Amino acid sequence: DIQMTQSPSSLSASVGDRVTITCRSSQRISSYLHWYQQKPGKAPELLIYDTSYLQSGVPSRFSGSGSGTEFTVTISSLQPEDFATYYCQQSYSSPLTFGGGTKLEIK
Amino acid sequence: EVQLVESGGGLVKPGESLRLSCEASGFTFNDYPMNWVRQSPGKGLEWVSAISPRGGSIYYAASVTGRYTVSRDNAKNALYLQMTSLRAEDTAVYYCARGRGNCISRGCLQNFDYWGQGTLVTVSS
Repeated sequence: DIQMTQSPSSLSASVGDRVTITCRSSQRISSYLHWYQQKPGKAPELLIYDTSYLQSGVPSRFSGSGSGTEFTVTISSLQPEDFATYYCQQSYSSPLTFGGGTKLEIK
Repeated sequence: EVQLVESGGGLVKPGESLRLSCEASGFTFNDYPMNWVRQSPGKGLEWVSAISPRGGSIYYAASVTGRYTVSRDNAKNALYLQMTSLRAEDTAVYYCARGRGNCISRGCLQNFDYWGQGTLVTVSS
């Protein structure tokens, strides 16, 4: 199975900050990397798919990049509604696996 | 509008069974692979099972193989998960999720573009 490791596991930041979350895979996964946002008590929502494509309706302050085994999601200017937990997921091989999550909290 | 609505969760004892359902609307159900993804309390996400659009290909996580059975009824736009021999470690919110990707011999390789609200399964004596 491909292991997905996110860093940091938690992050404190302020509104307006630029934030980057990293996801590393245990083997190369091409661009088959996706990001989800989950708010407390809610289902996850797809943010970015195939490394860098924004899901419909996602604000342009979100961006994704990477290749091979290292991937990032960046929020260019944090908004209050962005404080949530973020998960990466690989679809290169089965079983599909998720990272452990990064909880983004208000400083 | 795409909607996925799970039902069937509840409190059961170890060794018992439970059947989850997911009713889909707002899209052509038989065009998409469908999935179950679970999240243990306070923990991360775990993919559980996938079924191809016509139901001909089915995949499971190792942790549930032999105990869970996924199925779909395309005439009813419904997805099911039959869970048997439940264990405490199966306690989780179970989400139904629409897949976007392809099902091939080695699995349904996809992301999850729509999710239901989840249904809580608690396994405890």
